[in-house]
Amino acid sequence: QSALTQPPSVSGSPGQSVTISCTGTNSDIGYYNRVSWYQKLPGTAPKVIIFEVSNRPSGVPDRFSGSKSGNTASLTISGLQAEDEADYYCMSFISPTTPYVFGTGTKVTVL
Amino acid sequence: EVQLVESGGGLVQPGESLRLSCAASGFSFDDYWMHWVRQAPGKGLVWVSEIKTDGTKTNYADSMKGRFTISRDNAKNTVFLQINSLRAEDTGVYYCARGGLPFSLDYWGQGILVTVSS
Repeated sequence: QSALTQPPSVSGSPGQSVTISCTGTNSDIGYYNRVSWYQKLPGTAPKVIIFEVSNRPSGVPDRFSGSKSGNTASLTISGLQAEDEADYYCMSFISPTTPYVFGTGTKVTVL
Repeated sequence: EVQLVESGGGLVQPGESLRLSCAASGFSFDDYWMHWVRQAPGKGLVWVSEIKTDGTKTNYADSMKGRFTISRDNAKNTVFLQINSLRAEDTGVYYCARGGLPFSLDYWGQGILVTVSS
């Protein structure tokens, strides 16, 4: 299974909003509402920030929001902060036998 | 406090085998599916495998089928990943993670580095 497609990088100034796309197919993202998003800082373990397309785990700021349209899921960071500079990965359920695939990853830079 | 601690990594020669362990604490281990995820140096995350709560069902990424085996010992709160016939492309940091939220991974270990090189 191929990785989901994300832009390599996005950037924004503090206070701005940025959106990261995650594109799959009508067999994965387009079929299931089972997309999660992870924030990864260098040298640390990934942290889940969105599950099931748009749900935030407790403790995750509401600046992070998720959505989906067709075969593309999106993560939006509103009110960008310096601490949001990290790599972000989407992950989708794709089938019962080979359940998950990650996106290619997006580096968010706060200017 | 939920903790996942990986061990068993290191430098290995191509063709050798390795068994990674992930010791869990702070939660009821046998209530959760467990996963392994890999990150090669400078590359993205790759989902590797998962195992059901009682160990009766396992799934693998297509590229991992055949040489990778996931297992668990619920009496010892530990999940394992056996990798046979190691190749240079298996090099990376291996994370274990808990499947604690629907179709997502809510707690992760700190990762363990595996380097395959002669």
